[in-house]
This record gives sequence, C-alpha cells and structure tokens, in this order.
Amino acid sequence: DVKVTQSSRYLVKRTGEKVFLECVQDMDHENMFWYRQDPGLGLRLIYFSYDVKMKEKGDIPEGYSVSREKKERFSLILESASTNQTSMYLCASSGPQGQPQHFGDGTRLSIL
Amino acid sequence: AQSVSQHNHHVILSEAASLELGCNYSYGGTVNLFWYVQYPGQHLQLLLKYFSGDPLVKGIKGFEAEFIKSKFSFNLRKPSVQWSDTAEYFCAVFRHTGGFKTIFGAGTRLFVKA
Repeated sequence: DVKVTQSSRYLVKRTGEKVFLECVQDMDHENMFWYRQDPGLGLRLIYFSYDVKMKEKGDIPEGYSVSREKKERFSLILESASTNQTSMYLCASSGPQGQPQHFGDGTRLSIL
Repeated sequence: AQSVSQHNHHVILSEAASLELGCNYSYGGTVNLFWYVQYPGQHLQLLLKYFSGDPLVKGIKGFEAEFIKSKFSFNLRKPSVQWSDTAEYFCAVFRHTGGFKTIFGAGTRLFVKA
C-alpha cells in the first residue's frame, strides 16, 4: 500500500519565519503535489512536481516555493510565514497523470 | 471560470437514509472523475473513480457514482448510510487538456445520526 508521510502533524511558527514542510512517498511515484485545505474552499493546489528538480505552479503559489531533489521527497517552503498561511497542508503523490492521488495525514500549520 | 461544484456543504442524515451528493464540473473535454473521502482524523482516501466505460461505477463501502456526460455531473450515492459514513466527501476532476490538473470541489460534510 502507498505510504505518504508528512514530517509533522502539527506545527506552530512565528510570522516572518522560514518554514519547511517535508513529504516522502514510498511508491516511486513520479508526480507529487502540495495542497492547502481550508474550510469551504476544498483543496487548492500550491505546486506540483512531475519529476526530480521539475516543478509547476498550481493555483495559489504566492508566498511558497518547493524543492524536489530526490524522487521520493517533495518539500514545501514558506519563505516568510504570514498569518494568512495558517492552514492544513496536504501532500499527495500519484503515478502517471490522471491516476488517483495518495495523500499524507496533513500538517496543521499555525502562524502566530 | 472552470470549476467543480458540490451543491451541499453540509448534510445531516439518519442511519439507513439514502444519500446523494451532487457534483458538477464545467470542463468540456475528456476528464477523469474521482470521489475522495476524509474520515475524522484520517487522510483523504479514494472512494471511487471513473475513467471510461460503464458510467455507473462502484466503490468501496457500498458507494456508487454515476457519470452523466450531458449534465457534466458525477453524483455520489449510497442506498443506506451508516453512522461510520460520517466524513467529508470531495469530488475531483482531472482534465486531460489545459494543464493536466486535478481540481477539487469544496467538499461536503456528512453527519449521520445514530
């Protein structure tokens, strides 16, 4: 069974800090995704990656960057955290485009 | 704007009631369709998917969904819900053109009363 592991379930950071969220998958999937989940808004795509060192902006990339140095690991970076980035962050991976995505447990990030 | 719409944000049912959750999308091309479920405290998981073929698809835990191409709809159904179906349900659409992105609906929170 596919396992997508996010490094933290809960995280509290301060405004202006640089924040790293890590995600690892164990199924050799080429595609990996970062979403934020907010009540009433569903899942919104921040960035995705279709291969090592490759990335594409999603619908809400502002204030975020990503890194994919190894196939199994996809990192989300908040360059300078702000309170409006308080949210649930979900990582997912999938095989070829259009296949179902497999999600991690999520990281609930609070920016104070 | 292109979107995925879930008609109900909150649904409350009693056990044994029938369930239908609506999902409509606005893309004209070829799509893959999904329903995901998120049980309290758990990660999102796939409930069922439609790629092609029989428009009535069956998923886990007695759920099914029907793809009606002319209505751009992919409604989720279950004949008799259980308390354990309490969860949030997300419809998702993958577009084969225009960026190869999966777009999620806003979600429907279902609460089943025992």
